[in-house]
This record gives sequence, C-alpha cells and structure tokens, in this order.
Amino acid sequence: DIQMTQSPSSLSASVGDRVTITCRASQSISNYLNWFHQKPGKAPKLLINAASSLQSGVPSRFSGSGSGTDFTLTISSLQPEDFATYYCQQTYSTPLTFGGGTKVEIK
Amino acid sequence: EVQLVESGGGLVQPGGSLRLSCAASGFTFSSYWMHWVRQAPGKGLVWVSRINGDGSYTNYADSVKGRFTISRDNAKNTLYLQMNSLRAEDTAVYYCAPNWFDPWGQGTLVTVSS
Repeated sequence: DIQMTQSPSSLSASVGDRVTITCRASQSISNYLNWFHQKPGKAPKLLINAASSLQSGVPSRFSGSGSGTDFTLTISSLQPEDFATYYCQQTYSTPLTFGGGTKVEIK
Repeated sequence: EVQLVESGGGLVQPGGSLRLSCAASGFTFSSYWMHWVRQAPGKGLVWVSRINGDGSYTNYADSVKGRFTISRDNAKNTLYLQMNSLRAEDTAVYYCAPNWFDPWGQGTLVTVSS
C-alpha cells in the first residue's frame, strides 16, 4: 500500500498568512494526487486534482504543485472560510489512501 | 448538477448487517466508477471500496474484504454497500463519491455497538 504522510498535522495561522501543507508518498504516484478540505460536520470538498489542477469554483488563492513523491498545497492569503482540515489523497493505485490531515486553526 | 444522497445508516449490534445506499443524479451514473469512503468519529478519511461502471470489477480495503460487498443498480442510479459481520471499528460516517471525488454525498452514520 502507498502511505501518504502529511505535515504538519496542525498549524495556527492568521487571516492573510501564506500557508503551505506538504504531502509525501511512500512511492512515486506521478501526479495522481487530490487535495480536499473538510469543515466540521461536512463532507470533504475537492480543491485540486492531478496535483495542480484547480477545481471549478475554487478560489485562486489555492494552488498545488509537485509530482512523483512530494506535493504541496499552498494558500496564498488565508481567509476566514479556509479554517478547516486538509487532506491529500493518492489515486495512483488501490487501496486509495489519504494523508492523516492537517488542521488549520486560527491564531 | 451532480448530487449524491446516502441512506441506510443506523445503530447495529456487533456481528450484525446493514446495507447503505447512495442515490446519484446529474451525471451518467452507469459510465463511472464509484467509491465508498468512511470517517470514524474524530478521525481521518479512509477509502473503503470502489466499483466500475457496469459492476463487473470491484476493489476493497483489507479491513473490510470478505465482510463488505459493493454493488450498483444502474437502472436505479444507485450504489450500495452491504456490510456484514460488523465490528465496533466499523463505526463511522460513510460517504459515496464518484470517481473524480467531486462532490461527495452528505454521509450516513453507522454505529456498531451493543
């Protein structure tokens, strides 16, 4: 199975901060990488697929990069609605696996 | 607009069974793989199973293999998850999602407890 390691597991940031979350795969997954965020009590929402393709309707302050084993999600200027938990997911091979999550909290 | 609505969750005793449903609309259901993903209370996301468009090919997480069965009825645009021999560790919100994982359903809570 491919292990997905996210870091950090949590962070505190202020509105307007630049935030970076990393995700590392235990083997190469090319660009088969999704990023989601999830708010309490809600279903996850897809932000980015194929490592860097922003989903329709997702604000441009979100961006993704990377390929192979190392990936990054960046929020260029954190907004109040961005406080949530973020997950990466590899879709390269089954079992599809998620990172452990990064909780972004208000400083 | 793609919509997914899960149902069938509830409280079940250890060793019991439950069948979850996911009603899909807004896309050509029969053309796409579908997935189940679960989330235990306060925990992260865990992929459970997937099925291809005509139902002829399935995959499962090791933790549910032999106990859970994914299926679909393309005439009804509905995805199913038959869960047998349920354990306390199966307690979770279960979500369905299309192959591109957007959107997800609202989830249905399964609680396994005596």
